Amino acid sequence: KNEVEQSPQNLTAQEGEFITINCSYSVGISALHWLQQHPGGGIVSLFMLSSGKKKHGRLIATINIQEKHSSLHITASHPRDSAVYICAGRALDGGSQGNLIFGKGTKLSVKP
Amino acid sequence: DAGITQSPRHKVTETGTPVTLRCHQTENHRYMYWYRQDPGHGLRLIHYSYGVKDTDKGEVSDGYSVSRSKTEDFLLTLESATSSQTSVYFCAIRPLAGASGANVLTFGAGSRLTVL
Repeated sequence: KNEVEQSPQNLTAQEGEFITINCSYSVGISALHWLQQHPGGGIVSLFMLSSGKKKHGRLIATINIQEKHSSLHITASHPRDSAVYICAGRALDGGSQGNLIFGKGTKLSVKP
Repeated sequence: DAGITQSPRHKVTETGTPVTLRCHQTENHRYMYWYRQDPGHGLRLIHYSYGVKDTDKGEVSDGYSVSRSKTEDFLLTLESATSSQTSVYFCAIRPLAGASGANVLTFGAGSRLTVL
């Protein structure tokens, strides 16, 4: 069983829909990252959070430490949001290597 | 405005040949990482560096070596490439703890390596 699990693996939505991507983890973490990987391959960091909620534009990330669960929400989705979204937990014993444990990603496709 | 560049971006090579991938940063960040990305797997850490000449192994280090002779460059070497090393390789950088954005990784654009 992977230590960081994402669901769904693939998601197709219509433009304007509200989207939720889930991330569950089974190890102790000090923080959770959400990353975005565009079709061209580049990876961009969206959020890092250790509690509560963060918002940037149409993107909202939440985390529930007790339930070991995080969600990434996209409001008013747009075709340009099409990408792979990756969550990664920073292990408590990460040390200098940071020890990020990555999920396998959720591939989102937003249709016009 | 990229503070991190990888080269080459694409490479095709034959089994048994040596390959070196370069990661160059202009951010003066302390930590540098090499990951590989394969279908069905999350990003997996190969090696990382916590300073000049200070490196350590990640979870998939077999068959790879690294060197960091100066802050800005982190080299990943496959001494004798195998088909199982066909992958997309990402370099990432992170500043020292306490610095602005200390826990946020900045990724390079990736290097696609095909070993025939």
